[in-house]
Amino acid sequence: DAGVTQSPTHLIKTRGQHVTLRCSPISGHKSVSWYQQVLGQGPQFIFQYYEKEERGRGNFPDRFSARQFPNYSSELNVNALLLGDSALYLCASSPTDIYEQYFGPGTRLTVT
Amino acid sequence: AQSVAQPEDQVNVAEGNPLTVKCTYSVSGNPYLFWYVQYPNRGLQFLLKYITGDNLVKGSYGFEAEFNKSQTSFHLKKPSALVSDSALYFCAVRDIKGNSGNTPLVFGKGTRLSVIA
Repeated sequence: DAGVTQSPTHLIKTRGQHVTLRCSPISGHKSVSWYQQVLGQGPQFIFQYYEKEERGRGNFPDRFSARQFPNYSSELNVNALLLGDSALYLCASSPTDIYEQYFGPGTRLTVT
Repeated sequence: AQSVAQPEDQVNVAEGNPLTVKCTYSVSGNPYLFWYVQYPNRGLQFLLKYITGDNLVKGSYGFEAEFNKSQTSFHLKKPSALVSDSALYFCAVRDIKGNSGNTPLVFGKGTRLSVIA
């Protein structure tokens, strides 16, 4: 089975622009979570969706939003990009909303 | 709120020797505990979990971890380290509060393991 896939792999944006990151979960997984990983730190929770409903939101500004589609894929949107948004954005999927999560390779976002 | 501490930024061990990567946690309910490994420029790979039951859990690639409720610890161990085990290791916890709803997965800051040949 294919693992979690994310696109694009790398992205360079300018301050003030917006970005959309995409994630396809493992087949059969209904929960998708998004994390931000800044260099030298552990992943920080942004959002979790289960069965297309938001199940949790981390301590991120309203510039960050997400949604989950009927096929359980997900998008993370970030508006008005700041230099500090530069990070590796990780998507993870799981069969339910409480057990282990399986991570994709991430999208490396650089904001200049 | 739940939290995880990984007290060592770096652990160095000789190939063939046993390794331990430390993790302590804080929750108000019951902990679900996880270990992940991250190789350079890659996502995280799931190694093992503790949900309930036996305090010693076995995972992928010969790794195991021991849950100690009294010490609120979940240290990762391997009897004989390999050079290929060199990577960044993350401990994570989810605070399970029953009907109060689920809490997000919280990660430690990571421990870099270096296995020297």
